[in-house]
Amino acid sequence: EDKVVQSPLSLVVHEGDTVTLNCSYEVTNFRSLLWYKQEKKAPTFLFMLTSSGIEKKSGRLSSILDKKELSSILNITATQTGDSAIYLCAGDTSGTYKYIFGTGTRLKVLA
Amino acid sequence: NAGVTQTPKFQVLKTGQSMTLQCAQDMNHEYMSWYRQDPGMGLRLIHYSVGAGITDQGEVPNGYNVSRSTTEDFPLRLLSAAPSQTSVYFCASSRRSSQPQHFGDGTRLSIL
Repeated sequence: EDKVVQSPLSLVVHEGDTVTLNCSYEVTNFRSLLWYKQEKKAPTFLFMLTSSGIEKKSGRLSSILDKKELSSILNITATQTGDSAIYLCAGDTSGTYKYIFGTGTRLKVLA
Repeated sequence: NAGVTQTPKFQVLKTGQSMTLQCAQDMNHEYMSWYRQDPGMGLRLIHYSVGAGITDQGEVPNGYNVSRSTTEDFPLRLLSAAPSQTSVYFCASSRRSSQPQHFGDGTRLSIL
């Protein structure tokens, strides 16, 4: 059975801290891994990773995929209160058109 | 630029009632999908469509029907609402199935 597992489930940090969120996957015919940020409503897209070892970066956020370990990490440096959200990762399977989501990591950044 | 529009935003139903959750996108996307989000469960795929006239089941399809008569619209029908269907429902779309999805703002559905 395909599954995506995220850890930790929740995290509380102070502004300025660096955090690392983890995502591991067991997905048949794995094609890509995606990260989303969900604040109050709709999840918004952050990164799509298809190749192992290549870091994607956007401002203070970065992510990398390790196909050997079947995992990905999302790093956020110099956290701000606006980073408080649920971070979701999803595995995409080639040929089945289905995305398998993890349960998410709830991040709270305190001022 | 509207993106993905879901209506209604909130709905309360009684057990046994039926209703349709509407989803429309104006980006000419081929791929559309419905998810439900429950506490501690993440997003679970209900049904998806890779183009007009083509739909298929996701992880949790029981109790739900979909149709895709146009590229723009992908309604989700609850046939006979049950309390277990209380959830937040998200519609999403992407140009192709292999591309990141755009999500609507969700419909919060309570079934009494």
